[in-house]
Amino acid sequence: QVQLQESGPGLVKPSETLSLTCTVSGDSINNYQWSWIRQPPGKGLQWIGYIYHSGSTNYNPSLKSRVTISTDASKNQFSLKLSSVTAADTAVYYCASSEILTGALDFWGQGTLVTVSS
Amino acid sequence: DIEMTQSPSSLSASVGDRVTITCQASQDINNFVNWYQQKSGKAPKLLIYDASKLDSGVPSRFSGSGSGTDFTFTISSLQPEDFATYYCQQYDRHLALTFGGGTKVDI
Repeated sequence: QVQLQESGPGLVKPSETLSLTCTVSGDSINNYQWSWIRQPPGKGLQWIGYIYHSGSTNYNPSLKSRVTISTDASKNQFSLKLSSVTAADTAVYYCASSEILTGALDFWGQGTLVTVSS
Repeated sequence: DIEMTQSPSSLSASVGDRVTITCQASQDINNFVNWYQQKSGKAPKLLIYDASKLDSGVPSRFSGSGSGTDFTFTISSLQPEDFATYYCQQYDRHLALTFGGGTKVDI
């Protein structure tokens, strides 16, 4: 069974870049499609983007100008960078594996809270 | 962008009740709808994929139906462990994902 674990700073200053890493165990990152999703406190889920095992990406249009998702196959990890953050980017950030054909997010990390504050 | 309108946003129910949640897509999305359960402080859990297929290990009291723009999620007999928030999610021809606003099911 695939397991995922997010890691990264829990506090980021406004205008800086949020950086998170998701470590995958139980399967190779060269399989599947890998997603980032976030959830502001008390609110619903927002898809950020995903990366295919081939390295091609697809991002939420509302975040596209600020998002980069990449993989490091040697470490079986994938990463999220979100630039020019504001308080509105404060959220629990989840990484997940997603099925290519259905878009179903079948395995999730536990999530990590990132607060944007000076 | 395709929007998913989920209703109701919340509902109160009792153990044993039949619960129904709907999602309407702003465009035809075939059957590319998935349903998740999220308990407080936890990551969402996939319950239904491809509109009606039960994920592995998910109890049969959960079901999904629909195609095109209108989708339904049903819990046939609500159990104490089912009190949670439920989300629909679509996957469109542009390969983007969108979630519905969520339905909180409580007592």
